[in-house]
Amino acid sequence: QQQVKQSPQSLIVQKGGISIINCAYENTAFDYFPWYQQFPGKGPALLIAIRPDVSEKKEGRFTISFNKSAKQFSLHIMDSQPGDSATYFCAASKGAGSYQLTFGKGTKLSVIP
Amino acid sequence: GAVVSQHPSRVICKSGTSVKIECRSLDFQATTMFWYRQFPKQSLMLMATSNEGSKATYEQGVEKDKFLINHASLTLSTLTVTSAHPEDSSFYICSAIGDRGRAYGYTFGSGTRLTVV
Repeated sequence: QQQVKQSPQSLIVQKGGISIINCAYENTAFDYFPWYQQFPGKGPALLIAIRPDVSEKKEGRFTISFNKSAKQFSLHIMDSQPGDSATYFCAASKGAGSYQLTFGKGTKLSVIP
Repeated sequence: GAVVSQHPSRVICKSGTSVKIECRSLDFQATTMFWYRQFPKQSLMLMATSNEGSKATYEQGVEKDKFLINHASLTLSTLTVTSAHPEDSSFYICSAIGDRGRAYGYTFGSGTRLTVV
């Protein structure tokens, strides 16, 4: 059972456009929702994370929108640049227990000039 | 910021041999380390979770005798792939959180590309 569903699988955006990636979760015990960026052959790097007590968090060109009632969260990349071309993963974890991260399946973003 | 150093970045070994991958937290104490496996164009699959000084907890379907994890200190965890076979070829990634839990997020290593020939 996949606990974090991510869409789309791939995304092509023109330079300067907005990239939007969506995730939905099932486990209401999740209380930490990070987004990671991964380049080929590298480990994931944290982009931005949110907790369910806020509906939006912005860091530079990256914004997380969080809808607790719908159990959904999304990543918005404003003014997308070719250097943003990478695979993006959403994830979720819960505070109790082992802090394991549950990952979405990933979105390959291509930003074209 | 928190840094996790993972070595080697690439390794090629012969079938039947063992390979050790190291993960070191450079500027924080890693109370919990996670080991992942990632196949091409797929997501990260959690293999095991280890706490310093304790035996690792393996996910269902992961052979503990094949993938030996040691977390003997607060700054070092190792994954040893024993008697490696071509099907063990994959990208292995470690991740760590410190004694403040998730306050500073999960720090990932840069990954190890294992090729078994």
